[in-house]
Amino acid sequence: TQLLEQSPQFLSIQEGENLTVYCNSSSVFSSLQWYRQEPGEGPVLLVTVVTGGEVKKLKRLTFQFGDARKDSSLHITAAQPGDTGLYLCAGAWDGGSQGNLIFGKGTKLSVKP
Amino acid sequence: EAGVAQSPRYKIIEKRQSVAFWCNPISGHATLYWYQQILGQGPKLLIQFQNNGVVDDSQLPKDRFSAERLKGVDSTLKIQPAKLEDSAVYLCASSEGYGYTFGSGTRLTVV
Repeated sequence: TQLLEQSPQFLSIQEGENLTVYCNSSSVFSSLQWYRQEPGEGPVLLVTVVTGGEVKKLKRLTFQFGDARKDSSLHITAAQPGDTGLYLCAGAWDGGSQGNLIFGKGTKLSVKP
Repeated sequence: EAGVAQSPRYKIIEKRQSVAFWCNPISGHATLYWYQQILGQGPKLLIQFQNNGVVDDSQLPKDRFSAERLKGVDSTLKIQPAKLEDSAVYLCASSEGYGYTFGSGTRLTVV
């Protein structure tokens, strides 16, 4: 059974601070995705990474895929209250677009003004 | 582009009753998924359809849960009879490629 461990589980910070959340597994991913979920809504895709060592930036968010494709991190610079939400990583092991995703439990981020 | 539509948004039922959820995926997306998200956890896959065929239903509790996707478009997920532990948000997603697009979900409370 593939497992995705996310840490920390909860994070409460002040506006303007930087933070990093982690996603780890003992299995190798064919691709990994990060989602953000707000209360009462479904997860919204932020990024997909497929190549070991890959780094992608989305405004103040930086996503990194580990060289061995077993781990990933999400770094947010100068966090804002609008960044508050549940951040989920999800990995695919079957490969390609046909593989279903396994989700981690998420990191619940609260950014206080 | 219209998103994934789900209904109802909320449902409260008593244990042992039955309930059904409906999903309309993004037009043209061949793959449709139903996920269960219990409070405080990430979504867990229940069933995956490719067009109107089942690709993976290994985690679907088949003694009480059923799902169908007639004509390869809309899908329904049914629970009969419901148990207290079925209280969760039921998310539908569709995909064409790597990224999934999720609906807003149906929040089920079993009392």
